[in-house]
Amino acid sequence: QKEVEQDPGPLSVPEGAIVSLNCTYSNSAFQYFMWYRQYSRKGPELLMYTYSSGNKEDGRFTAQVDKSSKYISLFIRDSQPSDSATYLCAMSALSGGSYIPTFGRGTSLIVHP
Amino acid sequence: ETGVTQSPTHLIKTRGQQVTLRCSSQSGHNTVSWYQQALGQGPQFIFQYYREEENGRGNFPPRFSGLQFPNYSSELNVNALELDDSALYLCASSRTSGGSDTQYFGPGTRLTVL
Repeated sequence: QKEVEQDPGPLSVPEGAIVSLNCTYSNSAFQYFMWYRQYSRKGPELLMYTYSSGNKEDGRFTAQVDKSSKYISLFIRDSQPSDSATYLCAMSALSGGSYIPTFGRGTSLIVHP
Repeated sequence: ETGVTQSPTHLIKTRGQQVTLRCSSQSGHNTVSWYQQALGQGPQFIFQYYREEENGRGNFPPRFSGLQFPNYSSELNVNALELDDSALYLCASSRTSGGSDTQYFGPGTRLTVL
């Protein structure tokens, strides 16, 4: 079993839909939880990060962390075709004095007009 | 754009050869991390350098080595290339190695090993 599990998709939704992306994890030492967006042939771009449990909102994006269930989510409201990309969850724990992220395999999202 | 640059963009090597990949960090960042991203997978952490010292390493063999220079640019060296080393190699820079510090990724170097 991998430390971080993420459904690769693809997830195909119509423009304007609410998108829900999820990851589960097994390491209870994870403290920081991140969501990255990666367009084809580009490096990942940080969308949001959350420390410990709770919700965080930024524009159309909401990140949720439930440490008791070891489950994190990213919601995208009013999805746009430009949101079509691979979304990677990542989480980190303190290891040898630094925080090293462990990534999920990414979910491919397609938003069609 | 993140201000993190990588060279070359693409590279083709044969099994057994050695390769050096380069990364230029964003200005003011003293920490650089290297990742390997196989097709259809998430990035896997290789190692991290903070102020020219390695301060974290993932589950990669010693033939993966690195350097960070006084201007905080960095190199990833891979010896004795294997077919499974074919992947996108990403570097990411951050102000420090703290958990809340944003990592800014470069566009990556795509390595193909034949």
